[in-house]
Amino acid sequence: GQNIDQPTEMTATEGAIVQINCTYQTSGFNGLFWYQQHAGEAPTFLSYNVLDGLEEKGRFSSFLSRSKGYSYLLLKELQMKDSASYLCAVRNTGFQKLVFGTGTRLLVSP
Amino acid sequence: GAVVSQHPSWVICKSGTSVKIECRSLDFQATTMFWYRQFPKQSLMLMATSNEGSKATYEQGVEKDKFLINHASLTLSTLTVTSAHPEDSSFYICSASTGYYEQYFGPGTRLTVT
Repeated sequence: GQNIDQPTEMTATEGAIVQINCTYQTSGFNGLFWYQQHAGEAPTFLSYNVLDGLEEKGRFSSFLSRSKGYSYLLLKELQMKDSASYLCAVRNTGFQKLVFGTGTRLLVSP
Repeated sequence: GAVVSQHPSWVICKSGTSVKIECRSLDFQATTMFWYRQFPKQSLMLMATSNEGSKATYEQGVEKDKFLINHASLTLSTLTVTSAHPEDSSFYICSASTGYYEQYFGPGTRLTVT
């Protein structure tokens, strides 16, 4: 079976740093994606990891450990507009399809 | 670049009727398109994968006779919800892929069945 877990909700304050974790157990692995989704809108791509380590892109960074089945998304210098759902998705070996995690709703307060 | 559109953006229909949702890749050719469904406060659930010119592959538990998918060209895929019922009310999102790692998502279609 396939199982991708994320915390349901997180809260943080403007200017702070927040880490959103994702653990996965899937039949094969060919990359992990992080997406941001505002309510009523489609997901937008944030990051992609296929090798172990940290990928940094501006205020957002994503980390992957394949041996542990673990990833996190790190958001720095939080802004109010970062309030959204963050989706972790795993792509299986040999397939293009993505399996999405449960999603984490992040609320950034002033 | 890599823009995906969906039409309509929202639709209300009566129970028992059918609704067609279009997904288009505007500036690239999509070898594969995906259809997702998302209920309120839940994550995306893959419904089916479609490749141009071939039958769609449905995920377990998705009724292929109820959710008809046609991928007629490299830029267009359609999802038809047949004999819609209130429990089919959801946010339907398509995505398109060129075969490389990234999927490009459409803006979604909100379906309400009364």
